[in-house]
Amino acid sequence: DQQVKQNSPSLSVQEGRISILNCDYTNSMFDYFLWYKKYPAEGPTFLISISSIKDKNEDGRFTVFLNKSAKHLSLHIVPSQPGDSAVYFCAASGDAAGNKLTFGGGTRVLVKP
Amino acid sequence: EAQVTQNPRYLITVTGKKLTVTCSQNMNHEYMSWYRQDPGLGLRQIYYSMNVEVTDKGDVPEGYKVSRKEKRNFPLILESPSPNQTSLYFCASSLTENYGYTFGSGTRLTVV
Repeated sequence: DQQVKQNSPSLSVQEGRISILNCDYTNSMFDYFLWYKKYPAEGPTFLISISSIKDKNEDGRFTVFLNKSAKHLSLHIVPSQPGDSAVYFCAASGDAAGNKLTFGGGTRVLVKP
Repeated sequence: EAQVTQNPRYLITVTGKKLTVTCSQNMNHEYMSWYRQDPGLGLRQIYYSMNVEVTDKGDVPEGYKVSRKEKRNFPLILESPSPNQTSLYFCASSLTENYGYTFGSGTRLTVV
């Protein structure tokens, strides 16, 4: 059973609008969460992370929100740009080093010009 | 340039023929890890290493071996590959705290 789930396999959004990617987890021991972005033929690249002691972390156009009681996190991209078109993975771990990361299945984002 | 380098990028092999996928990082990272990516399943951790000579199993270690004799290298060994190991493999490394992994570009393995 997948402990980290991204229920939307794909998302299409207009350039300039907000992209919202969702991720749910089941393991209450997870206390560190990360988002990765992946372009075709490349490895995933780290985007943003959040510790369970926070409920929000912002980095430029990217904001991650964490709702521990709901075991839910989301990634907001505002404004969306065509270069944001990629597959996004959320990941969770039980330690800040993220040694044992559990990934979701990914969400493919397409930003239309 | 700081990077994680995997070789080869593409590999087609036959069932049972031992193979090694190499991974090297130039960032002096202590932590290294191997993942496989399969459609709908995201990335699943195979093995990870916290330092030289320290390794541990991830979520899907069956059929794989690793070694960490030097800090920079973390090869993945398939002693007797089978078709269900056909996948896209990623090596990654990280600093000890509050850093996400840096991933290599991937190795697409096909076992026939």
